Amino acid sequence: EVQLVESGGGLVQPGGSLRLSCAASGFTSSDYYMDWVRQAPGKGLEWISRSRNKGNSFSTEYAASVRGRFTISRDVSKNSLYLQMNSLKTEDTAVYYCARTPAGQNAFDFWGQGTLVTVSS
Amino acid sequence: DIQMTQSPSTLSASVGDRVTITCRASQTISRWLAWHQQKPGKGPKLLIYETSNLESGVPSRFSGSGSGTEFTLTISSLEPDDFAIYYCQQYNSYSLTFGQGTRLEIK
Repeated sequence: EVQLVESGGGLVQPGGSLRLSCAASGFTSSDYYMDWVRQAPGKGLEWISRSRNKGNSFSTEYAASVRGRFTISRDVSKNSLYLQMNSLKTEDTAVYYCARTPAGQNAFDFWGQGTLVTVSS
Repeated sequence: DIQMTQSPSTLSASVGDRVTITCRASQTISRWLAWHQQKPGKGPKLLIYETSNLESGVPSRFSGSGSGTEFTLTISSLEPDDFAIYYCQQYNSYSLTFGQGTRLEIK
């Protein structure tokens, strides 16, 4: 059974840092593109970052809103995806989802349940 | 970035109704469009990819069409489980972007 389980969310002050994790099971995540998407409370979905698959050297993409502050990475041995978030702002408050994307299909085909990040003083 | 605009924002309908949600892109995205369904407190679920391809396990009452800048999601006969929020999403170019969502409510 395919599963994506996010963790690492919590309350952090503006300017602080947090590292999110996404543990994949039921498939080999290095064969897939993996993405982070967030959803501010009561709002819509915002894509923020992508790590392409092993065949594409795990190259990355970022949304302008997080470029230079957030870093996506993987640990292939742990079948996991990470998001290092620095210089956090109040507008980064959201539920953060990881999502799987088949390289040929390019649409998110499986999503986790999300982890809540609250940036507040 | 490509802007995605859905209409309507809210749709009230009854079980058994046929409903259509429209998604417009600010520039052409060919057929690189997906539809996702989200229920309260849950991660989204992929329904349709590449405009009209039904994801495995998704009921056939869901269908998608369109190309270029205008796309539709149709549910042929609403079931109680279909009341949720629906998002279109383009993956033609970065940044990947979503519509603002359509809330499908029980009338």
